[in-house]
Amino acid sequence: NAGVTQTPKFRILKIGQSMTLQCTQDMNHNYMYWYRQDPGMGLKLIYYSVGAGITDKGEVPNGYNVSRSTTEDFPLRLELAAPSQTSVYFCASSSVNGQETQYFGPGTRLLVL
Amino acid sequence: GQSLEQPSEVTAVEGAIVQINCTYQTSGFYGLSWYQQHDGGAPTFLSYNALDGLEETGRFSSFLSRSDSYGYLLLQELQMKDSASYFCAIYGQNFVFGPGTRLSVLP
Repeated sequence: NAGVTQTPKFRILKIGQSMTLQCTQDMNHNYMYWYRQDPGMGLKLIYYSVGAGITDKGEVPNGYNVSRSTTEDFPLRLELAAPSQTSVYFCASSSVNGQETQYFGPGTRLLVL
Repeated sequence: GQSLEQPSEVTAVEGAIVQINCTYQTSGFYGLSWYQQHDGGAPTFLSYNALDGLEETGRFSSFLSRSDSYGYLLLQELQMKDSASYFCAIYGQNFVFGPGTRLSVLP
């Protein structure tokens, strides 16, 4: 099992550009999450999903959108990139029977200039 | 809302025991988790307390006291590879992470 994979690893965007951060898990987990982590800080929940077709906002959803058409994939969309979105983005997943244990992807480092 | 507090930094020597505290404010939650994150890496799960008391996993132990709104992570027989950031997280409707504690292990 590859676990949770994320692409790209690193990206530079110009202000106003858009992009999609990809996240895929092969553990058949129902729950998936998107976090952002600013330097020296903890993780902030952006969006989460409890299953295909169901998504909900986390603590910091503004400026982002998500979709969950399959169990495996949970892409995060930035429509109009702003410098405040410069961060490291982590995707995570957990199972119904072990919701307290999250498995994280390697992260995507995003720089908005 | 929910919030967690942790010390920003802790330093200890190899072979020692260190305790990382976590205090929280929340109206309700299922349990308290701990994650380790090395520089440039992803968080990895360490421990989870659903009930009050001590949970032991090898060199790591975690404790929760709901009446005191307090928990801690105890690391024994410290090794250089334990130098990392440690995050507590409340598991309720969703997850809320603390700001993290950077542990430096000195030789």
